[in-house]
Amino acid sequence: ETGVTQTPRHLVMGMTNKKSLKCEQHLGHNAMYWYKQSAKKPLELMFVYSLEERVENNSVPSRFSPECPNSSHLFLHLHTLQPEDSALYLCASSQGLAGNQETQYFGPGTRLLVL
Amino acid sequence: LAKTTQPISMDSYEGQEVNITCSHNNIATNDYITWYQQFPSQGPRFIIQGYKTKVTNEVASLFIPADRKSSTLSLPRVSLSDTAVYYCLVGSLNSGAGSYQLTFGKGTKLSVIP
Repeated sequence: ETGVTQTPRHLVMGMTNKKSLKCEQHLGHNAMYWYKQSAKKPLELMFVYSLEERVENNSVPSRFSPECPNSSHLFLHLHTLQPEDSALYLCASSQGLAGNQETQYFGPGTRLLVL
Repeated sequence: LAKTTQPISMDSYEGQEVNITCSHNNIATNDYITWYQQFPSQGPRFIIQGYKTKVTNEVASLFIPADRKSSTLSLPRVSLSDTAVYYCLVGSLNSGAGSYQLTFGKGTKLSVIP
């Protein structure tokens, strides 16, 4: 138990569906992250929020839309996804922005399958 | 952007010491080096972090040479439960350019053999 929870743990959706992934951290951290992990690729950073403001969007397609309503919650809204978007989506949090002596705490991930 | 390179896989027998090296030639002055462990169907878990020289905690040691262009994670006396993927991470907040980069390596799959 890392203090970061993600729901749902598994999701199957069609290409025309709209769904949302939810992440919640109970650590009092100020930064939150979305990562994508595919079978044959390294962890890809998608979005970074610091104090509820988006810090980075790593050229992620617009069919992925993040939302950070407060420092404890992070959402990833999904619409018109493609089969190649099937992956493990991981949420993480850190006290400050990771990289400079800040470590990240990861949730268990949501396994997404797009049919 | 500090790109990282690690061996794809390693095998080790139980009880041996395992050393995994990560190359990060373009590491920035203010970047720290962090190692994570990931088991199947779980998120990565923090192992150790360092800036230079040597860092040791209850599970691992991290060796960083003076030029900081590489780092070596050392796992003493591995057991079967250490079978996992190990990632090194370097990151930077480039406030001048308004960008933020975190680069995970492709990870090293460690298999511990009985």
